[in-house]
Amino acid sequence: GAVVSQHPSWVICKSGTSVKIECRSLDFQATTMFWYRQFPKQSLMLMATSNEGSKATYEQGVEKDKFLINHASLTLSTLTVTSAHPEDSSFYICSASFPGGNQPQHFGDGTRLSIL
Amino acid sequence: DQQVKQNSPSLSVQEGRISILNCDYTNSMFDYFLWYKKYPAEGPTFLISISSIKDKNEDGRFTVFLNKSAKHLSLHIVPSQPGDSAVYFCAASESGTYKYIFGTGTRLKVLA
Repeated sequence: GAVVSQHPSWVICKSGTSVKIECRSLDFQATTMFWYRQFPKQSLMLMATSNEGSKATYEQGVEKDKFLINHASLTLSTLTVTSAHPEDSSFYICSASFPGGNQPQHFGDGTRLSIL
Repeated sequence: DQQVKQNSPSLSVQEGRISILNCDYTNSMFDYFLWYKKYPAEGPTFLISISSIKDKNEDGRFTVFLNKSAKHLSLHIVPSQPGDSAVYFCAASESGTYKYIFGTGTRLKVLA
């Protein structure tokens, strides 16, 4: 069964709107979660690493003021796309690992964001 | 700079035969490798992983082979089933970084 839940699965909104996406680890505590973005027919690109109780670590080229990440608890990380524009339209996916060692990341089902 | 490459964008295989998906990497610091399967509009599903201390890992119909000298890994699926039709991504990381670098994916189609 799913170990990471992501909500919503699909969002359509007007340009200028801020959109919040939630990522929850189910039945385990995730001190670290990850946010990815995938453009059509391209690879998953890591946007940021979300750390519980501290600031997120953003990858080069990702605007931290545009993509706000909050990891307020051990089972929840949120990504807010602020003042979204059509170029922000994409597939956003979060992931989390079970604690300890080399554990694979488990992914949510993603959020399809379409900005009109 | 694409550190992880999957040079075949697509592959078609007859049901019951072997599917071989390939992945090459350039960063010699990578020591943990994974394969994921992805259906449209869903997140990737973990299939199998391998650490650089091994050259083979097997789980049911799935086997991953790692050739460190060639910086190459492959996923073998045998026998292939129509339900295996999906996009397969390889990923690589360095221990302790938790950061995965994904390949561009290979679309596998298993023909009944």
